[in-house]
Amino acid sequence: AQSVTQPDARVTVSEGASLQLRCKYSYSGTPYLFWYVQYPRQGLQLLLKYYSGDPVVQGVNGFEAEFSKSNSSFHLRKASVHWSDSAVYFCVLNTGYQNFYFGKGTSLTVIP
Amino acid sequence: DPKIIQKPKYLVAVTGSEKILICEQYLGHNAMYWYRQSAKKPLEFMFSYSYQKLMDNQTASSRFQPQSSKKNHLDLQITALKPDDSATYFCASSQDRGNEQYFGPGTRLTVL
Repeated sequence: AQSVTQPDARVTVSEGASLQLRCKYSYSGTPYLFWYVQYPRQGLQLLLKYYSGDPVVQGVNGFEAEFSKSNSSFHLRKASVHWSDSAVYFCVLNTGYQNFYFGKGTSLTVIP
Repeated sequence: DPKIIQKPKYLVAVTGSEKILICEQYLGHNAMYWYRQSAKKPLEFMFSYSYQKLMDNQTASSRFQPQSSKKNHLDLQITALKPDDSATYFCASSQDRGNEQYFGPGTRLTVL
């Protein structure tokens, strides 16, 4: 069965530090993968997406993610976080058509 | 200009009453979705529609009924409201397979 696992429910980092949010997916076919961010009391916004090609994809606000087929992973990274990056981050798998699978989210707190 | 409109933004209802949550998208997408998010549960998929036809229903209760009067509309009717229905309801849309979803700002429902 298809699924997405975000093993870290909460992550706290200091401003200026690097960040990695982990995402593992379960799907035997070709995945379409996304990262979304949700700021307090707002809807979800797309950060980046992976369809094929270069396994490292760039997103908005300095975020990037790396796809690994061998590890079934799609980890999100940022070189230097800002306090405004504090939000909840969702990893999402699409297996085609309208089948989207969401992770439970990772709540990021950036300490100034 | 907002591409996905959800109305109302906030909604307060009494137990046992019925409410309709409105969603309109102006992205030209052919697929629309409803999600629910509460303090007790992470983002929860409810329904998906494609070309105004129900594709997937992950909501156990028949009290939740999506209604699609137009291709770009997917309203959500909730009957016999319960306090446990209190949540933020997000509408989303996407185009074809594998494409990212775009989310509306949400309707925050409180059932007293």
